[in-house]
Amino acid sequence: AQSVTQLGSHVSVSEGALVLLRCNYSSSVPPYLFWYVQYPNQGLQLLLKYTSAATLVKGINGFEAEFKKSETSFHLTKPSAHMSDAAEYFCAVSDVGTGGFKTIFGAGTRLFVKA
Amino acid sequence: SQTIHQWPATLVQPVGSPLSLECTVEGTSNPNLYWYRQAAGRGLQLLFYSVGIGQISSEVPQNLSASRPQDRQFILSSKKLLLSDSGFYLCACRGGHGEKLFFGSGTQLSVL
Repeated sequence: AQSVTQLGSHVSVSEGALVLLRCNYSSSVPPYLFWYVQYPNQGLQLLLKYTSAATLVKGINGFEAEFKKSETSFHLTKPSAHMSDAAEYFCAVSDVGTGGFKTIFGAGTRLFVKA
Repeated sequence: SQTIHQWPATLVQPVGSPLSLECTVEGTSNPNLYWYRQAAGRGLQLLFYSVGIGQISSEVPQNLSASRPQDRQFILSSKKLLLSDSGFYLCACRGGHGEKLFFGSGTQLSVL
């Protein structure tokens, strides 16, 4: 069964600093991997996805993530944090199950950006 | 692209009362539909998913049930709410050949 582990429930960075949010996955088949962002009291929006093409995936708002099969990781990065990046970020893995396509989410990492 | 309508936005219900949350989808046909619950600090837990009318898969045993009476309608229900049912409920949709999920704006349920 698939699972996702996000290291660190809270991450705090200064504005302009590097953002690194960690995600490790477990999957018995080549996975589809995603990062979603959630702003307060809203649903989730897709930041980026990996679907077995390029291992370095670029998403919206300057975020990118690198798929490393040997490390079973899919860490999210952004070179320079902006105040508007403060939100909760979820890593997710999908595959096809007997009942259809399922997406399993990590516990989330809340990103704080200090001025 | 898909649009998901989810209501109500907030709901306060007493313990033991029934629940019905509705989700409707526009912009796609025959979507895969999902109910997730988000509890504080626990991420998103997949509750139910459906690949078609009348087809429901349950991920975790619980006090809730789901139904899909129409192609683009997904309902989450309970006969008697428990305190532990409190949380933020999100409906999601996957349509066409995409792997991406589209989410509704969520329902904050407080059971008192």
